[in-house]
Amino acid sequence: NAGVTQTPKFQVLKTGQSMTLQCAQDMNHEYMSWYRQDPGMGLRLIHYSVGAGITDQGEVPNGYNVSRSTTEDFPLRLLSAAPSQTSVYFCASSLDVIYGYTFGSGTRLTVV
Amino acid sequence: AQKVTQAQTEISVVEKEDVTLDCVYETRDTTYYLFWYKQPPSGELVFLIRRNSFDEQNEISGRYSWNFQKSTSSFNFTITASQVVDSAVYFCALSGGSQGGKLIFGQGTELSVKP
Repeated sequence: NAGVTQTPKFQVLKTGQSMTLQCAQDMNHEYMSWYRQDPGMGLRLIHYSVGAGITDQGEVPNGYNVSRSTTEDFPLRLLSAAPSQTSVYFCASSLDVIYGYTFGSGTRLTVV
Repeated sequence: AQKVTQAQTEISVVEKEDVTLDCVYETRDTTYYLFWYKQPPSGELVFLIRRNSFDEQNEISGRYSWNFQKSTSSFNFTITASQVVDSAVYFCALSGGSQGGKLIFGQGTELSVKP
C-alpha cells in the first residue's frame, strides 16, 4: 500500500513550457485534490475531484488543467508555465472529505 | 463561503512552555468538519485530529489538546510542555456541508520550539 504517490519530486521548467504532475493513489479513494503551498499563503486548492469523470475548480485554478479518467490517477497539467507557478504542489486523496485527506510528499516546481 | 483564519503567523517558545495555536472558521453550514495537520521541516503533511460540528467535547491526546467552541467558531490547539520536535507548521482546515469535496486550509502557524 503505497498511499499517495507524486512524481516528479523536483522539476525546473522554463517559462512557457508545459508539463504534467502525476498523482496516483492505491487506496480506492474517490476524493482527490491538488493544492499549492506558497510562503504565508497556506495550502490553496487548485482543482478537486469527487470521483472518476468528475472534477471541479478550487480557489486558484487558472493556468492548470485536470482530468480524472480512473479512480487511481489525478494528473495536474500546467499549460504554459509562468514564474508565478513556482510553488510546492501537493496531491491528496480521501475516502470522503469528511475524513480529511492523505497527502503525497509533494512536488517542488521552479519556473525560470 | 467557507474560510479558515490562523492569525498567528509565527510563534516562538522555549522548550517546556505551553503554547496555543488559534483557529477561527467561517461557515454557514450546520454540518462541517474541522482538522489539524502538522507539517514538520521534512515537508510532509501529517493528520492530527478531526472533529465534527456536533461534537464539542474537548480532545486530549498526550501533550496535545483541542478546544472546539461553536459559539466563537474556534478550534484551538494546545501543546503542553512543548518539545523541540514540535517545531513545525500547523494547519487548521475545514470541510463538509455545502462545499462538496473541498477541504479549505488556513494560512498556517509556524511554531518554533527552542531548547
